[in-house]
Amino acid sequence: AQKVTQAQTEISVVEKEDVTLDCVYETRDTTYYLFWYKQPPSGELVFLIRRNSFDEQNEISGRYSWNFQKSTSSFNFTITASQVVDSAVYFCALSEEGRDDKIIFGKGTRLHILP
Amino acid sequence: GAGVSQSPRYKVAKRGQDVALRCDPISGHVSLFWYQQALGQGPEFLTYFQNEAQLDKSGLPSDRFFAERPEGSVSTLKIQRTQQEDSAVYLCASSQSRTGGNEKLFFGSGTQLSVL
Repeated sequence: AQKVTQAQTEISVVEKEDVTLDCVYETRDTTYYLFWYKQPPSGELVFLIRRNSFDEQNEISGRYSWNFQKSTSSFNFTITASQVVDSAVYFCALSEEGRDDKIIFGKGTRLHILP
Repeated sequence: GAGVSQSPRYKVAKRGQDVALRCDPISGHVSLFWYQQALGQGPEFLTYFQNEAQLDKSGLPSDRFFAERPEGSVSTLKIQRTQQEDSAVYLCASSQSRTGGNEKLFFGSGTQLSVL
């Protein structure tokens, strides 16, 4: 069965610190997709990244980076030099090839960046 | 507008009342999803449309919930005889692709439903 676990419910860091948000997933499929979404106070989920299960290369986009490790079923997200505008709830999500009708979301991590 | 639009933004209903929530996806997007998000939780899948066809409604919590997308664009989620446990944010998302769940989704800001 599909499952996404975000063990960190809430994290607070001081601005300019680095922070890593953890995501562990479960799936029986060999082909699947992993996502991160950001939900600011406005409520609209904003897509950050999509990776497929065959691409384990880490990705960097500005201050954001993602570490995908199939061996530990993890897809962690790091924000470098955090800013107050990064404050939001972040969701990790999983979908399976052939089950393109749904994405399973984790419970989210609420990130507070303190000025 | 260019994004997914949902209305109303807030809805307060008395227990037992029927409500209708509207979603206007991005023009041309084939896939449309409804999600329910309880306070402090992640979005939970409700139902999925590919154009006007409702391909999966396995997430609808009861037969009081009904969704439609008759012309393959605007969608309406209807909840009959609302109960307090229906209080949540209802999110709509759309995708250009037929394999919507495997692709980037564009979300609306949601409708916050409060049932008193």
